[in-house]
Amino acid sequence: QKEVEQNSGPLSVPEGAIASLNCTYSDRVSQSFFWYRQYSGKSPELIMSIYSNGDKEDGRFTAQLNKASQYVSLLIRDSQPSDSATYLCAVNIVSRQGAQKLVFGQGTRLTINP
Amino acid sequence: DADVTQTPRNRITKTGKRIMLECSQTKGHDRMYWYRQDPGLGLRLIYYSFDVKDINKGEISDGYSVSRQAQAKFSLSLESAIPNQTALYFCATSDRTGNQPQHFGDGTRLSIL
Repeated sequence: QKEVEQNSGPLSVPEGAIASLNCTYSDRVSQSFFWYRQYSGKSPELIMSIYSNGDKEDGRFTAQLNKASQYVSLLIRDSQPSDSATYLCAVNIVSRQGAQKLVFGQGTRLTINP
Repeated sequence: DADVTQTPRNRITKTGKRIMLECSQTKGHDRMYWYRQDPGLGLRLIYYSFDVKDINKGEISDGYSVSRQAQAKFSLSLESAIPNQTALYFCATSDRTGNQPQHFGDGTRLSIL
């Protein structure tokens, strides 16, 4: 099992709809979770951080965390063509030696259709 | 000005050449990382450094070396470049306290002919 798993997509959503991106992780003791947006050929940009169970909202973005199910999601409301990008989920994983490392999923490619 | 600066932004070179990619940061972070990204393979960690005297291999360190010249500078070298090292390379930084995100530079697009 991969440490962080995402559906690679592509995920196609009509403009104005809600885009839902999902991520599962393997380490039950993970404490911090991040969503990055990456446009083609550009660097990953941090858009959301979440540390506690429940929802965290920032503008059109909502991150949802369920530690019991080891599941984190990102909702994008009122999707815009400019939201078309690859979205990377990143999770802090604690290694057997006790060191923390940030592990990235492969990313989900999202396309918003006008 | 960017908080994490990578140079060069683009580089084309020939097989067998030695190449150095440089990264500098003004964020005051202790931790620095080098990743490569290939289409369909996501981000793969090459090396990371938690402070000037602490350097660690990542999942794909073969063929690469690094130097942490100062807290703010972390360079990646390809001793003898080969075509399958053609990729997009990113430097990232994070704060020393746990559970913090990483912040990325703009990347270096490297092509080995």
